[in-house]
Amino acid sequence: GESVGLHLPTLSVQEGDNSIINCAYSNSASDYFIWYKQESGKGPQFIIDIRSNMDKRQGQRVTVLLNKTVKHLSLQIAATQPGDSAVYFCAENSGGSNYKLTFGKGTLLTVNP
Amino acid sequence: NAGVTQTPKFRILKIGQSMTLQCTQDMNHNYMYWYRQDPGMGLKLIYYSVGAGITDKGEVPNGYNVSRSTTEDFPLRLELAAPSQTSVYFCASSPRDSGRRGQFFGPGTRLTVL
Repeated sequence: GESVGLHLPTLSVQEGDNSIINCAYSNSASDYFIWYKQESGKGPQFIIDIRSNMDKRQGQRVTVLLNKTVKHLSLQIAATQPGDSAVYFCAENSGGSNYKLTFGKGTLLTVNP
Repeated sequence: NAGVTQTPKFRILKIGQSMTLQCTQDMNHNYMYWYRQDPGMGLKLIYYSVGAGITDKGEVPNGYNVSRSTTEDFPLRLELAAPSQTSVYFCASSPRDSGRRGQFFGPGTRLTVL
């Protein structure tokens, strides 16, 4: 079946470094990809999205890259801070009128001071 | 706006008991969703609704029921609770005009079935 997955389940970085979290997807019909951040004990929080007709989108300290050729999505966090420590999920919206999302398993990002 | 609110935050049930997880959103979103999240896993869709009076099954609907009598509320009912339903449950909502861009999540309900 269609799935969204992650290459790295855990990532540990030093404060101030840049972080890159990767995600592979398999549904070529997906038209939106979204990154969520989930802190311990909380619900997922929207970070940034990208439409399938784009290959890059930037937000505040975050950049999402989309490579449709290899069905790969990445989230780059610049100057990573301790407050960025969380689980990061990618999700894809595979179209249709119900806006259902398919989530990956998540990557745990730990930022060391 | 309070966004998406869920009650209770925590609950322990005995096998065979029933309960209703409450979800309310004040953003006038048409679409609402229920997910469960097992430890170390992503979110799996249980049920969703595209508007009041309309509900449909997601990926893992067995053992659950929902109703959507108003735009704001989307309760999830567990009948005959089983240990396999031990999980964290998240409710989410999205607007019709930009829902494809993502959903807004509540804080979750942590349920343990013993």
